[in-house]
Amino acid sequence: EVQLVQSGAEVKKPGESLRISCEGSGYTFTTYWIGWVRQMPGKGLEWMGIIYPGDSDTRYSPSFQGQVTISADKSISTAYLQWSSLKASDTAMYYCARVSREGPVAASANYWGQGTLVIVSS
Amino acid sequence: QSVLTQPPSVSGAPGQRVTISCTGSSSNIGAGYDVHWYQQLPGTAPKLLIYDNNNRPSGVPDRFSGSKSGTSASLAITGLQAEDEADYHCHTYDSSLSGWVFGGGTKLTV
Repeated sequence: EVQLVQSGAEVKKPGESLRISCEGSGYTFTTYWIGWVRQMPGKGLEWMGIIYPGDSDTRYSPSFQGQVTISADKSISTAYLQWSSLKASDTAMYYCARVSREGPVAASANYWGQGTLVIVSS
Repeated sequence: QSVLTQPPSVSGAPGQRVTISCTGSSSNIGAGYDVHWYQQLPGTAPKLLIYDNNNRPSGVPDRFSGSKSGTSASLAITGLQAEDEADYHCHTYDSSLSGWVFGGGTKLTV
């Protein structure tokens, strides 16, 4: 059974750093793109970026380029999303999602993590 | 502001039919990229509802259907049920961004 399991909720202060994770299981981790999606309270889904764990090819949305770093450790089938200096406006739910087909980025996302809630407050 | 445009809300009575539109541009839907739809129940992660414009994953009722034409796509739900009350999001690929784009989401009230 394919699963994406994300790390738990985080409460941080502005300026702090953070890394959240998304562990894949039940499939070949290296051959499917994994995307990160932000959902701010009461809002829609926003694509942040996507990584191909096989070679760590990474693409970022212009809205998030330079604001976050996406990485993956294929030895432990885990993708990461990290911030070096959080802001209050980073408060949101963050989802990882796997594409449905090996190879293309332009595919549906048929497996989603359960989400990681990040709260940034002084 | 989302790259894909969806109505913020739609509503319908039980048993009725509703449609949700998703309007893009020449760099995404109009470029021929497939459109996908997700259902998000309150407090849960999105769930794939329609993939590649008009295909249903196993387990999705045939009350849900999708279509695409030009720079737009639509999700239709027939025989509305109370359990359909959720947020619906469209998704595709954008060549100018080299990545995913989503609509702003549509809240369906039954």
